[in-house]
Amino acid sequence: EAGVAQSPRYKIIEKRQSVAFWCNPISGHATLYWYQQILGQGPKLLIQFQNNGVVDDSQLPKDRFSAERLKGVDSTLKIQPAKLEDSAVYLCASSRDNYEQYFGPGTRLTVT
Amino acid sequence: AQSVTQPDIHITVSEGASLELRCNYSYGATPYLFWYVQSPGQGLQLLLKYFSGDTLVQGIKGFEAEFKRSQSSFNLRKPSVHWSDAAEYFCAVAPPSGNTPLVFGKGTRLSVIA
Repeated sequence: EAGVAQSPRYKIIEKRQSVAFWCNPISGHATLYWYQQILGQGPKLLIQFQNNGVVDDSQLPKDRFSAERLKGVDSTLKIQPAKLEDSAVYLCASSRDNYEQYFGPGTRLTVT
Repeated sequence: AQSVTQPDIHITVSEGASLELRCNYSYGATPYLFWYVQSPGQGLQLLLKYFSGDTLVQGIKGFEAEFKRSQSSFNLRKPSVHWSDAAEYFCAVAPPSGNTPLVFGKGTRLSVIA
């Protein structure tokens, strides 16, 4: 089966600009996660979807980050406006049975 | 709150030598435990997982891990390291209830020398 797809793979923007990331999970996977991985650290959850509903967004900086999952399939994560500290790899993961997560290749964001 | 500690930030081993990466967790009950590997520019790949049962679990690429409840540990081992094993390794935990995100350690970077 095809893996989790993410785009773009790399993005460079200036602070205060906006950016959007896209994720296509594995077909049939109801749960979708967005993680932020800052250099030198492990991934940290930003938001979790179950189908098209939000399960957990407690660690999402809602003043600048937003995410949606239309029709319970693809998802987009947006940052507006970006700050220097948002430079990180943004990982999307999906899960069928909620016990094993499959990760995409990530989007590396650099904010200058 | 759950937490994962990987005490070694960076480990260097010779090719062919054995490897052990340490992982300790803090959680009220026995969580689900995972080891992931991340090669440069790549996403995370699951090496192995422990849910219950036999405390020694086998994974892909010749890796194994042992769950020790008394030590709250889940150390990753490999008897003979290959140069292609050089990567970042992450230990992660999740509550044994499903439908929950993973909590990751900070990772251990493995370098392999000839």
